[in-house]
Amino acid sequence: DQQVKQNSPSLSVQEGRISILNCDYTNSMFDYFLWYKKYPAEGPTFLISISSIKDKNEDGRFTVFLNKSAKHLSLHIVPSQPGDSAVYFCAASYNTGNQFYFGTGTSLTVIP
Amino acid sequence: NAGVMQNPRHLVRRRGQEARLRCSPMKGHSHVYWYRQLPEEGLKFMVYLQKENIIDESGMPKERFSAEFPKEGPSILRIQQVVRGDSAAYFCASSQAVGLSGELFFGEGSRLTVL
Repeated sequence: DQQVKQNSPSLSVQEGRISILNCDYTNSMFDYFLWYKKYPAEGPTFLISISSIKDKNEDGRFTVFLNKSAKHLSLHIVPSQPGDSAVYFCAASYNTGNQFYFGTGTSLTVIP
Repeated sequence: NAGVMQNPRHLVRRRGQEARLRCSPMKGHSHVYWYRQLPEEGLKFMVYLQKENIIDESGMPKERFSAEFPKEGPSILRIQQVVRGDSAAYFCASSQAVGLSGELFFGEGSRLTVL
């Protein structure tokens, strides 16, 4: 039962343009969402998070948007850089739960 | 480096052997999570432990897999009588927060290959 879904396994974007990575979830109890970035042969690293009391959080080139009614969040990277090429995982949790639920990841390729 | 440390980074086992994967959480973190990533798949939760306690093992296969986080020493994920389907990357993560409003810090993973 995949409670967090990333329906696009891959995305290619030209350098300098915007990358938009999408994530959908099914559990309305989720109240905290995170994005992780993963390079090959490395562990995932935390990128940005958002609490359900917000609908937007921004950190430099990275912005996460949360639409609770649609159970949808997205990560915007602008401008995209070749070093952003990696697999991006979204994850969700709820305060009384014991685990973070991860999506299957989207592989982003930024073309120079 | 006070990050999450996993070893070994790579482990090769023959079918039927045992695999032991170790994880030392970040300094000050008492919550440890194990995730598995099968080829072409996402991160799947396996188990959540605190010191000397298994809190949630709902993602662990019922047989052959066990985990512990003793009072002293690293957390260990043990896979007995490995099969080819156990070949995967196993990631350990730790957190400081009691609730889940914090973030997980991941190790670099242990890649198990079963021949």
